[in-house]
Amino acid sequence: AQTVTQSQPEMSVQEAETVTLSCTYDTSESDYYLFWYKQPPSRQMILVIRQEAYKQQNATENRFSVNFQKAAKSFSLKISDSQLGDAAMYFCAYRSKGSQGNLIFGKGTKLSVKP
Amino acid sequence: GAGVSQTPSNKVTEKGKYVELRCDPISGHTALYWYRQSLGQGPEFLIYFQGTGAADDSGLPNDRFFAVRPEGSVSTLKIQRTERGDSAVYLCASSLSPVQALSYGYTFGSGTRLTVV
Repeated sequence: AQTVTQSQPEMSVQEAETVTLSCTYDTSESDYYLFWYKQPPSRQMILVIRQEAYKQQNATENRFSVNFQKAAKSFSLKISDSQLGDAAMYFCAYRSKGSQGNLIFGKGTKLSVKP
Repeated sequence: GAGVSQTPSNKVTEKGKYVELRCDPISGHTALYWYRQSLGQGPEFLIYFQGTGAADDSGLPNDRFFAVRPEGSVSTLKIQRTERGDSAVYLCASSLSPVQALSYGYTFGSGTRLTVV
């Protein structure tokens, strides 16, 4: 069975600075997808970024980028120029390519942004 | 609708009571998922519907939990004889299909916070 581990329960960053959130996963599959979701106090999960395992190029979305290390089974999220609105819970998630679409989530990292 | 709607937003019930949680997905989304998020944890998969049928209910913790989607749109998660351990946020998500979710993503609702006292 696949597992997702987020080893940082809480992180803090100064506004305008850069922060990296860690995620590792365990799988025997070679083709899969990885996601980072943001969950603000409203509880709604919002997709931040996604990565396809067969693509070696790291995904980027504006201020958000990932460092995907397939051999190490590592998928970290880098947030540049942090903004107050980035404060939230961040969840790393895994999905098998051929699955029925259910996601496997880590326990999350609470990100605080200091003004 | 424009998003996934979940009602009620919050529900407090007494131990042993029966509760129903409702999810109204985006129109046209055939795939619907239920997750349970306990305090301090990430969401855990409960059940997946493709159309009207439950294609995968392997995440349901026991037979007190049951879900339906009779017309392929609105889904109801039903919990019998609630226990304090059932207290959690129950999230619903929908997508066009599992394959199209890879391109277009999943849309999550804001969840129902269930508290069993």
